[in-house]
Amino acid sequence: GAVVSQHPSWVICKSGTSVKIECRSLDFQATTMFWYRQFPKQSLMLMATSNEGSKATYEQGVEKDKFLINHASLTLSTLTVTSAHPEDSSFYICSARGRGFRDTQYFGPGTRLTVL
Amino acid sequence: RKEVEQDPGPFNVPEGATVAFNCTYSNSASQSFFWYRQDCRKEPKLLMSVYSSGNEDGRFTAQLNRASQYISLLIRDSKLSDSATYLCVVQAEYGNKLVFGAGTILRVKS
Repeated sequence: GAVVSQHPSWVICKSGTSVKIECRSLDFQATTMFWYRQFPKQSLMLMATSNEGSKATYEQGVEKDKFLINHASLTLSTLTVTSAHPEDSSFYICSARGRGFRDTQYFGPGTRLTVL
Repeated sequence: RKEVEQDPGPFNVPEGATVAFNCTYSNSASQSFFWYRQDCRKEPKLLMSVYSSGNEDGRFTAQLNRASQYISLLIRDSKLSDSATYLCVVQAEYGNKLVFGAGTILRVKS
């Protein structure tokens, strides 16, 4: 099956710093990438959808200036958490869908962010 | 009301048992339905899609009742390796976002 990677797999940072998470599709061209967040014992919540070469579409309640998404190529999307605070600590997961994949989204392994 | 609701469990069952999970969704316009499996601290993985006619994949059977807006997953002959959180997922239309339930925890014990 298709492979999606994320880097880093975990990160610990101080409050106020910015953290960049990368999501890569390794063996297909991802026309659409999705960013999710999952707090403990809760469901995955979609944060934003990004199509290659265009601005991301953010879900209601997600601050676009705080969570910067860049989908500059067909194999890479980045999520930058700016000025992270402890309440941003969560499990961030990306998924990717390519042409002809219909409804199938392939998920990355996730990035666990802890803000001290 | 949540868009997708599941009983959080946990369901504690012995090996070999049959266990069923249920899920309800609120958007009657939903078109696609899935069950995902998520292991602790890992990403979700697609277990199976759910079709109107019902479908089976080995020990797993999924059913959809559009009239009641209800989806089920049946696991027969449970294995220790089936222990995980099972996520009910709904999609309003092709290409639209996936909406995840909070998941049902299954623990299979020897």
